[in-house]
Amino acid sequence: AQKVTQAQTEISVVEKEDVTLDCVYETRDTTYYLFWYKQPPSGELVFLIRRNSFDEQNEISGRYSWNFQKSTSSFNFTITASQVVDSAVYFCALIQNQGGKLIFGQGTELSVKP
Amino acid sequence: DAGVIQSPRHEVTEMGQEVTLRCKPISGHDYLFWYRQTMMRGLELLIYFNNNVPIDDSGMPEDRFSAKMPNASFSTLKIQPSEPRDSAVYFCASSTDRSNQPQHFGDGTRLSIL
Repeated sequence: AQKVTQAQTEISVVEKEDVTLDCVYETRDTTYYLFWYKQPPSGELVFLIRRNSFDEQNEISGRYSWNFQKSTSSFNFTITASQVVDSAVYFCALIQNQGGKLIFGQGTELSVKP
Repeated sequence: DAGVIQSPRHEVTEMGQEVTLRCKPISGHDYLFWYRQTMMRGLELLIYFNNNVPIDDSGMPEDRFSAKMPNASFSTLKIQPSEPRDSAVYFCASSTDRSNQPQHFGDGTRLSIL
């Protein structure tokens, strides 16, 4: 069975702090894909990043960075110098190769206060 | 390019009424997905199509739910008769692949059944 766990339900930080959102997944597949999505207060789901199971290189995009470690089945997301606009619910998701169904974690609600 | 377009954005109706949610996928995307988001169950896949053909409908909760895709640019999700427990946000997403490309989501339809 596949499962995604985001143990942090809510995180509150002050603007300019760095924050890391944790994601741990379970799968028996050797080929799979991992995603992060952002859901701002307006409600839409915004795609942030995709990683395949064979690519463990970390990725940085501006203030965002992702750390993928197969050995610990984790795909963590770090926001550097957080801003109020980063306030949202962030979802980690997993999909097996040829699967079709995204398995979402329960989400982490990030609140960035000025 | 236009993203996934869903209508209506909000729907409030009384129990027992038929509800129809609509979705226009991104042009060129062969895969279309319907998800439901609730506080209790999070985000879960209801059904997905490939080239207008339903591939996996195992997530459809019961016979009151039906989905169709009459052509490459339009899909509907119907609930008949509706019940208060169907209240949720319904998302449509589209993609060029069933797994190794991101699913791009519409803004969602917030459905309230009174």
